[in-house]
Amino acid sequence: DIQMTQSPSSLSASVGDRVSITCRASQSINSHLNWYQQKPGKAPKLLIYAASGLQSGVPSRFSGGRSGTDFTLTISSLQPEDFATYYCQQSYSMPVTFGGGTRVEIK
Amino acid sequence: QVQLVQSGAEVKKPGASMKVSCKVSGYAVTGLSMHWVRQAPGKGFEWMGGFDPEDGETVYAQNFQGRVTMTEDPPTDTAYMELSSLRSEDTAVYYCATELYETYDSDSYAVYRSWGQGTLVTVSS
Repeated sequence: DIQMTQSPSSLSASVGDRVSITCRASQSINSHLNWYQQKPGKAPKLLIYAASGLQSGVPSRFSGGRSGTDFTLTISSLQPEDFATYYCQQSYSMPVTFGGGTRVEIK
Repeated sequence: QVQLVQSGAEVKKPGASMKVSCKVSGYAVTGLSMHWVRQAPGKGFEWMGGFDPEDGETVYAQNFQGRVTMTEDPPTDTAYMELSSLRSEDTAVYYCATELYETYDSDSYAVYRSWGQGTLVTVSS
């Protein structure tokens, strides 16, 4: 199985801050990497697909990048509604696997 | 727009079975690649299985082999996930999600764009 290692597990930031979250795959997954946002008691919401494709309706302050097997989700200017938990997910091969999540909290 | 509505919360005894439903609207269930993912309290996501369009078969995660069955009922456009021999570690929110393919840079990428609202299943004696 492909392991997805996400870091940090949590972070504290202020409104307006630039925030980056990293996900590392245990083997090559090309760009088959998606990012989801989850708020308490809700289902995940797709933000980024194919490592850097912005899902329709998602604000442009969200962006994704890739360097080899390292992937990054960046929020350019954190907004109050962005405080949530973020997960990466590889769709390169079954079984589908997720990162452990990054909780973004208000400083 | 595909919408998925799941059945309500359940409490089960260890050793029992559970069956969660996922009602599809906006599309025929037979035209979708339905997957199931669970999330234990305060934890991340664990993929349980789903339809593989390349093989035309449902693939189950190794951790659930022999305990899980995923089915569909086309007349009602409903998908089901049944898990047997329940133990306390199976306490989780169970989600159905449809896998579809987005095109980006001339390649296709699988994503979960539509999710059910989740069903909490508590396993306790």
